[in-house]
Amino acid sequence: ETGVTQTPRHLVMGMTNKKSLKCEQHLGHNAMYWYKQSAKKPLELMFVYNFKEQTENNSVPSRFSPECPNSSHLFLHLHTLQPEDSALYLCASSQEVGTGSEQYFGPGTRLTVT
Amino acid sequence: GENVEQHPSTLSVQEGDSAVIKCTYSDSASNYFPWYKQELGKRPQLIIDIRSNVGEKKDQRIAVTLNKTAKHFSLHITETQPEDSAVYFCAASSRNDYKLSFGAGTTVTVRA
Repeated sequence: ETGVTQTPRHLVMGMTNKKSLKCEQHLGHNAMYWYKQSAKKPLELMFVYNFKEQTENNSVPSRFSPECPNSSHLFLHLHTLQPEDSALYLCASSQEVGTGSEQYFGPGTRLTVT
Repeated sequence: GENVEQHPSTLSVQEGDSAVIKCTYSDSASNYFPWYKQELGKRPQLIIDIRSNVGEKKDQRIAVTLNKTAKHFSLHITETQPEDSAVYFCAASSRNDYKLSFGAGTTVTVRA
């Protein structure tokens, strides 16, 4: 598959569960991002990785833990989440971290915390 | 940090009419302004972008204008069609960092 893929597409988890979201990009990009999209709110940047190095943690609670083993893969590990963490989690990639680099989004993981 | 405000939050237009969405930004160092379209249940996709050295850019039925002095930029869609119905997001990126700050989105509905 081309572009940016995310799995799973839907996830329901209890507050005591541990789960992981996966993102993979097939575009040869060097930068990857996690965003949270909640209804009626702007897209919220969570984490940025550039050449596998984390360059941004936008004051995200520690119950979200990112991992970037290589430039093509990005994970978001989840544990002890809260109901307010229910949202669409979007992964994106770009050629590089820097101004003017188009970001390509994945289809998202719809997360519901019960 | 950058703060991007977007108006209106919803917009309903008759097919064939024009639609205009406006955004303001706070950081005078911002120099890249993309617009993304997100259809229902799909991922956001870039439709047009503009850089601070340009005042206007057009691509077929869509155009974006930028007023650096007033720190606002707008998306114009002419001859709207039903497939233009979607949520549109503006964003701004500063030369001081690489982060894209997004507006809250405008839900555009084109009535047949």
